[in-house]
Amino acid sequence: QSVLTQPPSVSAAPGQKVTISCSGSSSNIGNNYVSWYQQLPGTAPKLLIYENNKRPSGIPDRFSGSKSGTSATLGITGLQTGDEADYYCGTWDTSLSADVFGGGTTLTVL
Amino acid sequence: QLQLQESGPGLVKPSETLSLTCTVSGGSVSSSSYYWGWIRQPPGKGLEWIGNIYYSGSAHYNPSLKSRVTISVDTSKNEFSLKVTSVTAADTAVYYCARRVLSSSKVDYWGQGTLVTVSS
Repeated sequence: QSVLTQPPSVSAAPGQKVTISCSGSSSNIGNNYVSWYQQLPGTAPKLLIYENNKRPSGIPDRFSGSKSGTSATLGITGLQTGDEADYYCGTWDTSLSADVFGGGTTLTVL
Repeated sequence: QLQLQESGPGLVKPSETLSLTCTVSGGSVSSSSYYWGWIRQPPGKGLEWIGNIYYSGSAHYNPSLKSRVTISVDTSKNEFSLKVTSVTAADTAVYYCARRVLSSSKVDYWGQGTLVTVSS
């Protein structure tokens, strides 16, 4: 059971928009930065969003992040088949003194 | 460009100790801006944070693994290491080493990962 809760799967058609939620508590998302990671099949995770809504260089602006209270959301617009991957949220948990990840969400582009 | 490379046995027997090393190139483990950590992923499952270490040797561990895990850093070799004792089949996973930014909790560099199988 992960500390952060994500939907197991989401799907949408090419060109459409999808959002992935990440729910936590005041000890983690509520008071710390959230990051998002993309893991393509058979590869290591890659940083997609950091500090709630910032994109590393090279990440297209089709990817966006937001945070409100104890939840965070990853948004992807203009979906492409190459976006099919597992997506994870992550943050620090102050009560646990530990980094925590969500259980991951599999994105299918139909 | 920073690179991290995991190394160690791919097969460990039950009850023995799993040992992995992460060699860092293109950057220094002695930097005051980063933690160096380990994350694992059992086959077909999600990411599990194992722990982080600072160049000073100060470490944080996943509470569920803390009794069996030790992370150490060798600044002279620019590498850090992971030991997991008393392993079982549940410790079978791809193990990633990674760099974690101190101030923002982002993990910005990952190794390619190494599969460790626990089996007799």
